[in-house]
Amino acid sequence: DAGITQSPRHKVTETGTPVTLRCHQTENHRYMYWYRQDPGHGLRLIHYSYGVKDTDKGEVSDGYSVSRSKTEDFLLTLESATSSQTSVYFCAITGTSGSRDNEQFFGPGTRLTVL
Amino acid sequence: AQSVTQLDSHVSVSEGTPVLLRCNYSSSYSPSLFWYVQHPNKGLQLLLKYTSAATLVKGINGFEAEFKKSETSFHLTKPSAHMSDAAEYFCVVSGTYKYIFGTGTRLKVLA
Repeated sequence: DAGITQSPRHKVTETGTPVTLRCHQTENHRYMYWYRQDPGHGLRLIHYSYGVKDTDKGEVSDGYSVSRSKTEDFLLTLESATSSQTSVYFCAITGTSGSRDNEQFFGPGTRLTVL
Repeated sequence: AQSVTQLDSHVSVSEGTPVLLRCNYSSSYSPSLFWYVQHPNKGLQLLLKYTSAATLVKGINGFEAEFKKSETSFHLTKPSAHMSDAAEYFCVVSGTYKYIFGTGTRLKVLA
């Protein structure tokens, strides 16, 4: 299994509070991704990173920010959590070359509930 | 631009019968395509991938998929379903650094 961990694994928070989710990899892969998974929508890309300090938006980036100060860590921040951000969040990594032939490897997920 | 459509949100089969999960894609260039499986409350695991080599791709646990350019399809099949195959399956097309997921097909296997 690819060395990807996510923390926390479960979190319950209240509307309006900031939340940070962490993704940590031990594979030295260049590309890292944050997705959210909701019933009927599959996985939707929030943000991704193609290197340290290099990030870009995905299709559902509103209300989320990211940071990558080290190759191994990719942080997802909800500045002011809303109930619509209740979801399961997955981190993924992919190969060093960025080739579209590379499969993604996924972390175990973080279940976030915003009350 | 790329997109992927999974034609069935739910599929039910009896144990021992064939499985067919349908996926159509759209891509402005020759795509790479993947199937992932997610068992309940688990992460995603790669089943197989197509990367412009053989059009018939074999994956883990007896699954295979055939890339058909003329039909823009990449359907997932298995000759004989097992109870352990009950899960959600995602078809994915990759673009430049991005991966587009279908909405998933939930497979139910009846005893």
